Amino acid sequence: EIVLTQSPGTLSLSAGERATLSCRASQSVNSNYLAWYQQKPGQAPRLLIYGASTRATGIPDRFSGSGSGTDFTLTISRLGPEDFAVYYCQQYRNSPLTFGGGTKVEIK
Amino acid sequence: VQLVQSGAEVKKPGASVTVSCKVSGYTFTSYVFHWVRQAPGQRLEWLGWINADNGNTKYSQKFQGRVTITRDTSTSTAYMELSSLRSEDTAVYYCARMYTDALDVWGPGTTVTVSS
Repeated sequence: EIVLTQSPGTLSLSAGERATLSCRASQSVNSNYLAWYQQKPGQAPRLLIYGASTRATGIPDRFSGSGSGTDFTLTISRLGPEDFAVYYCQQYRNSPLTFGGGTKVEIK
Repeated sequence: VQLVQSGAEVKKPGASVTVSCKVSGYTFTSYVFHWVRQAPGQRLEWLGWINADNGNTKYSQKFQGRVTITRDTSTSTAYMELSSLRSEDTAVYYCARMYTDALDVWGPGTTVTVSS
């Protein structure tokens, strides 16, 4: 099973700041199989990025994904008030599909 | 494009629960549907998937023998049954559509509570 480790656990930032979230895999993940999701309280996750760097439909361009192999990054260039949430990475290179433990982006 | 899930359930330990996921807005049989759960304060956890076209399934080894995923093409509905419930199965259960190896459309979630 591929274990995904996200860091930091919590990121305290102000609106307008840049957020950089990390996802590290226990073994190499083909970039095609790495995705990022946003989840707000009481809501289902929402797909942001797939294929490590492709934005899903309707996702603003302040969200970007990068990385390969075992190290991936989600960057939010300028935090909007609606961006404070929990972010998860997910892989499906190997079964089982696995998720990281999440990074909470909170208002400083 | 919408996934509509069945309502909240309360079950006793040892019982089974079935959660449904009705699809509308696109061709049901063109996609694979996954089931994912989230226990309180925990990370998302994958249970398995079903190919809505041919009914093929794949399950997480952790839930093998306890989870069964089926579908009804006449009603465009996928089902997830989890048996031998225990308190640790208390969670929100989601169905989600897979597209390009990511889960691009999610249902709203169904809360399953296991309590004696």
